[in-house]
Amino acid sequence: QSALTQEASVSGTVGQTVTLSCTGNSNNIGSYAVGWYQQISHGAPKTVMFGNSLPSGIPDRFSGSKSETTASLTISGLQPEDEADYYCSTYDSSLITWVFGGGTKLTVL
Amino acid sequence: EVQLVESGGGLVQPGGSLRLSCIASGITFHDYWMTWVRQAPGKGLEWVGTIKPDGSETKFVDSLTGRFTISRDNAMNSLYLIMNSLRTEDTAVYHCANFRSVSDYYFFDFWGPGTLVSVSS
Repeated sequence: QSALTQEASVSGTVGQTVTLSCTGNSNNIGSYAVGWYQQISHGAPKTVMFGNSLPSGIPDRFSGSKSETTASLTISGLQPEDEADYYCSTYDSSLITWVFGGGTKLTVL
Repeated sequence: EVQLVESGGGLVQPGGSLRLSCIASGITFHDYWMTWVRQAPGKGLEWVGTIKPDGSETKFVDSLTGRFTISRDNAMNSLYLIMNSLRTEDTAVYHCANFRSVSDYYFFDFWGPGTLVSVSS
């Protein structure tokens, strides 16, 4: 059971906008910024969002936001290369550990 | 270009030990908190532990405290994970990553491809 809850799967067509969510509580998402990590075919994860800031090299089709205890990753103009597993993560001050969501499998139809 | 490359994984019997290494290039290694994250087969990511830039402090997930140790050699741009009393549930791909501070919060930044540890008799 992950401390953060993500949709198991989300799908969208090329060019569409999709939003992935990550729900926690006041000890994690409610208190800290959330990172988002893309993993293609169980390879090396790649950071696609620092809270609401884009890492260098990540297209601005990706955006991040947070409202209270839920964080969101929005991908606009969906591309085939966006198909991947996406994980959210943040610090949890109650568990005193870094926590991850269970991951969302994004399929591009 | 930033590269983090792990090595040292393999097949080990329950109760055995293993030392994983991670060599970094393209970053000022001694400036960063470094971390290990693992992924069991078919499962999600799990934080293992973290070490301070000067190596003076380490933090682990509670379930691993006492069995796992993290160290680093800043002169060699190297990070290590020493795993003792290994259990079958430690079977996973182990990734190293650096932490980056952005707007006063810390995030995982660059990641290595990982090294597979299989614990089985």
